[in-house]
Amino acid sequence: DAGVIQSPRHEVTEMGQEVTLRCKPISGHDYLFWYRQTMMRGLELLIYFNNNVPIDDSGMPEDRFSAKMPNASFSTLKIQPSEPRDSAVYFCASGLAGHEQYFGPGTRLTVT
Amino acid sequence: GQSLEQPSEVTAVEGAIVQINCTYQTSGFYGLSWYQQHDGGAPTFLSYNALDGLEETGRFSSFLSRSDSYGYLLLQELQMKDSASYFCAVRDDRDDKIIFGKGTRLHILP
Repeated sequence: DAGVIQSPRHEVTEMGQEVTLRCKPISGHDYLFWYRQTMMRGLELLIYFNNNVPIDDSGMPEDRFSAKMPNASFSTLKIQPSEPRDSAVYFCASGLAGHEQYFGPGTRLTVT
Repeated sequence: GQSLEQPSEVTAVEGAIVQINCTYQTSGFYGLSWYQQHDGGAPTFLSYNALDGLEETGRFSSFLSRSDSYGYLLLQELQMKDSASYFCAVRDDRDDKIIFGKGTRLHILP
């Protein structure tokens, strides 16, 4: 298996623009997670899905962030409008259970 | 509230043994996981403990004491490539939350 696939790997955008991050989980994994990592705040869980259903979205910072999982092989995290403070590395992870997660390579987002 | 505490940094010598502790405070508990992350890389899964005791995987071992809300990761025969950040994580079975600690940066001296 190719592992968790994320795209794009790097994204540079201007404040106010919409950003869409994409994730393809490992086939057969029931859980999908979105994380954000910064030096200041560390690794933060934003939202996770079980069988395509959002279970916990309490980590989503505000209404500008939204995540969808239309099917078992694809998920998106959208930021609209983006702000400089959203600059971070965003990781997607998947797993058969919540306690054993396999992370993608991440998307480095820079908002200027 | 829910929290995980682990030291921010630990330093050890190549070839030695190091222990990274993690204490947690959650309303419910499903198990304790450990992840390794090298600079510029993604976290990788190391181990998981749901029951009390020690789990060994090669040079790495992980321990859990549910009664003490405490666990640790033990790294033996340290190698320079073990220099990384190590995160503990807990899944709370009462509210389905997954919480990561802030990570312990392990420095290894030659």
